[in-house]
Amino acid sequence: DVKVTQSSRYLVKRTGEKVFLECVQDMDHENMFWYRQDPGLGLRLIYFSYDVKMKEKGDIPEGYSVSREKKERFSLILESASTNQTSMYLCASSSRRLGHLTGVQTPRNNEQFFGPGTRLTVL
Amino acid sequence: GIQVEQSPPDLILQEGANSTLRCNFSDSVNNLQWFHQNPWGQLINLFYIPSGTKQNGRLSATTVATERYSLLYISSSQTTDSGVYFCAARLYNTDKLIFGTGTRLQVFP
Repeated sequence: DVKVTQSSRYLVKRTGEKVFLECVQDMDHENMFWYRQDPGLGLRLIYFSYDVKMKEKGDIPEGYSVSREKKERFSLILESASTNQTSMYLCASSSRRLGHLTGVQTPRNNEQFFGPGTRLTVL
Repeated sequence: GIQVEQSPPDLILQEGANSTLRCNFSDSVNNLQWFHQNPWGQLINLFYIPSGTKQNGRLSATTVATERYSLLYISSSQTTDSGVYFCAARLYNTDKLIFGTGTRLQVFP
């Protein structure tokens, strides 16, 4: 079974603090994602990583950065937390949609799997 | 970009009833997933269904990619089925999912 874990279920921080949210997956997935979920706004992609040290901005990257030093771990960093970053943060992982079999790109099942979420409150 | 719309936004059922949730998407997709978000916020994978029909117990899903919609059927609903159901679609040439706004289901005894 795929397992995606997140470092905390609940977190309370103060405005201006640097905050680290950690995510680990055990399925050797190339892709990892960070989303935030807010009432009425659904899930929005913050950042996406498709390989170690590779990242791509999502829809709402402002105020966030990420780090992917190892394949299994993807960290979301709030450099200076603000109250408008109070939210539910969800991490996910998947295989890349195309694999390489004997030099030929082949489509793969790239079902996305989610961690349990971190509910962050910034006071 | 692609739009993913779900209907109805809210659904209230009595235990034992059947229901159909719909997901429409505005462009051709290469992946369609259904999730259930439980009361603790975790997204549980229900179906990975780019096309065709799949069944898992009381739940089944059908995606008609050529007509750009997917349906999730819940039969003999139980109180534990309560929560928010999301569909999410992936465009060709990307690994990212676009989520719908969800259907909130409440099942009462």
